[in-house]
Amino acid sequence: EAGVTQFPSHSVIEKGQTVTLRCDPISGHDNLYWYRRVMGKEIKFLLHFVKESKQDESGMPNNRFLAERTGGTYSTLKVQPAELEDSGVYFCASSHAQGAGNTEAFFGQGTRLTVV
Amino acid sequence: AQSVTQLDSQVPVFEEAPVELRCNYSSSVSVYLFWYVQYPNQGLQLLLKYLSGSTLVESINGFEAEFNKSQTSFHLRKPSVHISDTAEYFCAVSDPGRSSNTGKLIFGQGTTLQVKP
Repeated sequence: EAGVTQFPSHSVIEKGQTVTLRCDPISGHDNLYWYRRVMGKEIKFLLHFVKESKQDESGMPNNRFLAERTGGTYSTLKVQPAELEDSGVYFCASSHAQGAGNTEAFFGQGTRLTVV
Repeated sequence: AQSVTQLDSQVPVFEEAPVELRCNYSSSVSVYLFWYVQYPNQGLQLLLKYLSGSTLVESINGFEAEFNKSQTSFHLRKPSVHISDTAEYFCAVSDPGRSSNTGKLIFGQGTTLQVKP
């Protein structure tokens, strides 16, 4: 069974450009989460999808970040325009629907975004 | 707001020595507790979790953690570490902010365990 897959693994872009990160969750997982780790800091929650619906987007930094999950399968996280402080590692995770709180979340390898 | 504190950012230890990675959380309600591990160039993997019941939980590779409600701690221990245990370890709690726990995780800052020969 394939795990959570994230593309690209690394991205270097200039300030002001647009970048789109993609996450393919484990098949059948309704819950999909985005997290971010800025260098030297803790991993922070960005948002949570249940199928195609945004359940909680309280962690999204600002309106330069747009997440979608069309059809309830893969998800994209777009940053437009990117700023220097957006640099970090973006993790995606997925889990089963039932008992989300006590269900193991499976993480992807992350996308390392560097804004220069 | 919920918070998780990992008191040590780096823990160097010699092979076959015991190790304890400390984790404290702030919460006045029931929480689920997790330890995740990230090996070099890999994603986060669940190491062990506490949901309810026995306060001592174990992983398949010899790690254990004990839930201590009075001290709001969930320290990770291993009696004898191997070189292959070198990784970054993250303590996390599941946010009980909603009536139905959504699975949102709040992480500590991470502890890098460096096992030396």
